[in-house]
Amino acid sequence: GAVVSQHPSWVICKSGTSVKIECRSLDFQATTMFWYRQFPKQSLMLMATSNEGSKATYEQGVEKDKFLINHASLTLSTLTVTSAHPEDSSFYICSARGSRGQQRTDTQYFGPGTRLTVL
Amino acid sequence: AQTVTQSQPEMSVQEAETVTLSCTYDTSESNYYLFWYKQPPSRQMILVIRQEAYKQQNATENRFSVNFQKAAKSFSLKISDSQLGDTAMYFCAFMNYGGATNKLIFGTGTLLAVQP
Repeated sequence: GAVVSQHPSWVICKSGTSVKIECRSLDFQATTMFWYRQFPKQSLMLMATSNEGSKATYEQGVEKDKFLINHASLTLSTLTVTSAHPEDSSFYICSARGSRGQQRTDTQYFGPGTRLTVL
Repeated sequence: AQTVTQSQPEMSVQEAETVTLSCTYDTSESNYYLFWYKQPPSRQMILVIRQEAYKQQNATENRFSVNFQKAAKSFSLKISDSQLGDTAMYFCAFMNYGGATNKLIFGTGTLLAVQP
């Protein structure tokens, strides 16, 4: 249980285009989802936290207009990188946390990540 | 602010041996969670073990166990009978208790290599 999927797993785009990454909780309702960015050989850097049906809370230094997050349902959150540039190339990871059945879980479960390359 | 420190950037262990990864943290809270996640070369983050601070008993999960020392703010991970599949980056993480949006605070990670 507690499976989180991410799509696509790998994307290459041209500079100036927008890219959407989907994060889905497959077997539980994710009241909260998190988006991270990870550079090679480094730890995860939290970008934003989103609750279903409300606006995302962004970490300091993360551009809200560049990284658009939508958490429209209890099983789906999307991250859109707008007007992508080469410096946005990175590994993006989502995680989800929520209630499973009658038992609340306070553990984050992670998606497999998306490698974004901007040419 | 809470911080998590992993002082061992890299470690190596022979297959079938035991290895301990260190983690210390700083917080003024009394209730919180601690986690160990592994990230193998596939880069999928996998939960290894979780500890609630109010529980005195150390968490165990098959070959993985922790030594939780609350007063010392230490949370080390012991891997017994190491296997090649244990090769990964291991991250220690802290989370405050309660609150729907509480964030994970990660350490910088320890890269573990299991040698055949």
